[in-house]
Amino acid sequence: TQLLEQSPQFLSIQEGENLTVYCNSSSVFSSLQWYRQEPGEGPVLLVTVVTGGEVKKLKRLTFQFGDARKDSSLHITAAQPGDTGLYLCAGARGGSNYKLTFGKGTLLTVNP
Amino acid sequence: DVKVTQSSRYLVKRTGEKVFLECVQDMDHENMFWYRQDPGLGLRLIYFSYDVKMKEKGDIPEGYSVSREKKERFSLILESASTNQTSMYLCASSLWGQGVFNEQFFGPGTRLTVL
Repeated sequence: TQLLEQSPQFLSIQEGENLTVYCNSSSVFSSLQWYRQEPGEGPVLLVTVVTGGEVKKLKRLTFQFGDARKDSSLHITAAQPGDTGLYLCAGARGGSNYKLTFGKGTLLTVNP
Repeated sequence: DVKVTQSSRYLVKRTGEKVFLECVQDMDHENMFWYRQDPGLGLRLIYFSYDVKMKEKGDIPEGYSVSREKKERFSLILESASTNQTSMYLCASSLWGQGVFNEQFFGPGTRLTVL
């Protein structure tokens, strides 16, 4: 059962464009993480959101957790080639303080 | 700076061989995980451990075993490698306890090819 759906699966854009990636579920999560994975490397944690409605910014990246804590979005402003990678969202369920549920990821390519 | 290291970046083995993948973390984390990552399938949890000598099966444990004799080290064992175990293997660790957000820290991965 795929509990976290990410969309789009693939995204190819030009440098300078804006984009939004979505992570949706019918389940409530106690926290949600976003990771970026570059080719041949392991995922690297970008941010954790915990409170419904929370917005966090990391330079040109803006992360939002839905009010009901079932969904999240990642918005990138003025994308750069260095943003290229696989973006993964992962949710933690209440009562399980170690396992994460991962989405399948969005593969972003930013062309110069 | 947190660090998770994996013993090999690339590994080529033959069908039927016994394969050991080692993972070490220096963050004193209680939890450690082994995933495999395949195109179109995402990250799938093989096994995890929440303490020394403790282990639990993940979603796809068949064909794998694990060992955790020390807190910082978690080993994945392929008893008899098969071609369908060709994959990217990722190790991760995290803290345990109330108030933590289950953030996992990953190693660089081992690209295993079974011929």
